[in-house]
Amino acid sequence: NAGVMQNPRHLVRRRGQEARLRCSPMKGHSHVYWYRQLPEEGLKFMVYLQKENIIDESGMPKERFSAEFPKEGPSILRIQQVVRGDSAAYFCASSPKEDTQYFGPGTRLTVL
Amino acid sequence: QKEVEQNSGPLSVPEGAIASLNCTYSDRGSQSFFWYRQYSGKSPELIMSIYSNGDKEDGRFTAQLNKASQYVSLLIRDSQPSDSATYLCAVSVGRSQGNLIFGKGTKLSVKP
Repeated sequence: NAGVMQNPRHLVRRRGQEARLRCSPMKGHSHVYWYRQLPEEGLKFMVYLQKENIIDESGMPKERFSAEFPKEGPSILRIQQVVRGDSAAYFCASSPKEDTQYFGPGTRLTVL
Repeated sequence: QKEVEQNSGPLSVPEGAIASLNCTYSDRGSQSFFWYRQYSGKSPELIMSIYSNGDKEDGRFTAQLNKASQYVSLLIRDSQPSDSATYLCAVSVGRSQGNLIFGKGTKLSVKP
């Protein structure tokens, strides 16, 4: 049973570009969560989604960030007009219900 | 502001000893509690989940929960050098309980 998959594993963008991070949950998991980990900081919750629904987006910055989890395909975290402060590791987790979350390998975003 | 507090360490123990990691949380409504292990540059890996007061054992690991004191702990028996990592305490919050608040982690070093 494949684990949570994220791609790309590393992403480099210049300031002002868009970043798209993808997450495929574990088989049988319909709940997806996104977290951000800044260098030397703890993991911070961003958003919780179920298929086609945003359940909790209390951790999402108000501007430039959006997330979706369509009926078909992976969940996508989109960051528009990236700035240097967006450089971080972005982790996706999934769960079969509102329960134990299993993390993917993460996407390391570097903004030049 | 809902918080999870952990001693940052580093906590150094000799091989074969018991490592004790502690965590306190602020939200009395939290229902689910987790310990994750994170090696440097890697993603969090689930070690234990605990939902009710008392102890829960899994191999060399024992999680302890005291909701009245808002306290969670993790004991690692017969510590091995491979246990050297940062240990993250996570607590569920929010109406959906899908939002995990993470502590900043305790860095454990097991000396051979």
